Parts: sequence; structure tokens; C-alpha cells
Amino acid sequence: DTEVTQTPKHLVMGMTNKKSLKCEQHMGHRAMYWYKQKAKKPPELMFVYSYEKLSINESVPSRFSPECPNSSLLNLHLHALQPEDSALYLCASSQAGGRGTNEKLFFGSGTQLSVL
Amino acid sequence: GDSVTQMEGPVTLSEEAFLTINCTYTATGYPSLFWYVQYPGEGLQLLLKATKADDKGSNKGFEATYRKETTSFHLEKGSVQVSDSAVYFCALSAISYGQNFVFGPGTRLSVLP
Repeated sequence: DTEVTQTPKHLVMGMTNKKSLKCEQHMGHRAMYWYKQKAKKPPELMFVYSYEKLSINESVPSRFSPECPNSSLLNLHLHALQPEDSALYLCASSQAGGRGTNEKLFFGSGTQLSVL
Repeated sequence: GDSVTQMEGPVTLSEEAFLTINCTYTATGYPSLFWYVQYPGEGLQLLLKATKADDKGSNKGFEATYRKETTSFHLEKGSVQVSDSAVYFCALSAISYGQNFVFGPGTRLSVLP
């Protein structure tokens, strides 16, 4: 199994809603990532979990709250989002989670989020 | 800080044409270099990688060589197909902290039949 699975594929929410994005991998990877991608732009790193601990938080607003319940699962909890938060949210994983350079990212297909 | 620059396109080619997408990078140390491809409505897929100077990554007819002297990792394919239409991202894996991958802006390729 070399897949990263994200649900849901599409999500429409109002600015007062609370929703969660889910990501799952069964490759034994110990680093998991959330990226945000706006149309025609590269992915922007939001969070990195390494061995289930938050290791990188790229100054993301608190209305985005990540959670890593175990080594296979990664959630992104959303609350009081703004229309400018509409984007494709990508989950990724990589093997070691340490500071090696011989790494590659495996991406999920993403959740297309629209905030009304 | 570490960065990746690539031609933004869009690039439009006829089927069977030769493809080059330029990529240059700035990094401390010796990063690994990658090309990722994103088809419409999907996430990014690893196309090829190189981990040290003079390494050549190759996959599905695409090639790129890690050139340390010119800090470049240009993507080439001898004969493109309509199915190659996608956005191509050059990226590097930095060791400055954690596992931060730095992506270029992406190059949109359209191949016409």
C-alpha cells in the first residue's frame, strides 16, 4: 500500500462551521504533513508531525488545528474559517521524519475546500 | 533561505516535441532534488529524484541531472504525449530543519495532438 488517503475530497463550509479533514497512510511513515495549495500556486507547508509530535508550524492561524492521533492518522480541524482559506489542502507523508536528505514525499489527492 | 526557481509557463507543445523545463536552486549544504507532477484535480506525484551531484533521475521518459556547478536540475523529455499535460514542480529537500521540502512555482505544460 503506497497510498495516502484523504477525506473528504470536497468540502463546502460556512464561516461559523466546524469541520475536520482526515488523512491516513499505512506505509509506516513517521512524518506527516499538511500543505495548502491555492490555484496555480505551489503547495505551502502548514504543519509537520514527526513521530506523532508537532515539529513544524509555519505560523498558521489558530483557526487551523492539527492533530496526530497515531502514526497512521493526521487530522486538520477547521473552525471559523475565512473565504480566503478556500484552497486545496494536501496531506503528505515521508519515511524517516528526521533530518536526512534522502527523503521523498507521498501526497494524497487533497481536499478541495470552499468557505462561503 | 533555500529557494527554487523554474520557468512558469504555460508551455504549449505539439505531440512528439522535445520538452525542457528549467529549474535552478539556492540551498546551503547538499539538498536532494525532485520533480513532482500534478494532474488536474489530483495531488502531487513524484516523477523523479536525484540525491547528489551528477546523479541522473529518470522515469517515464523524463530525465533530469543534478548539476552542482550550475545549481540546476532541468527536466527533459524527448517526445511528449498529450497525457503529459500537467503542472510540473521542481523541489528540493533541505536539511535546515525538520523535513521541509521547498517547491518552485510550477510550470503548466499543455501538449496538443
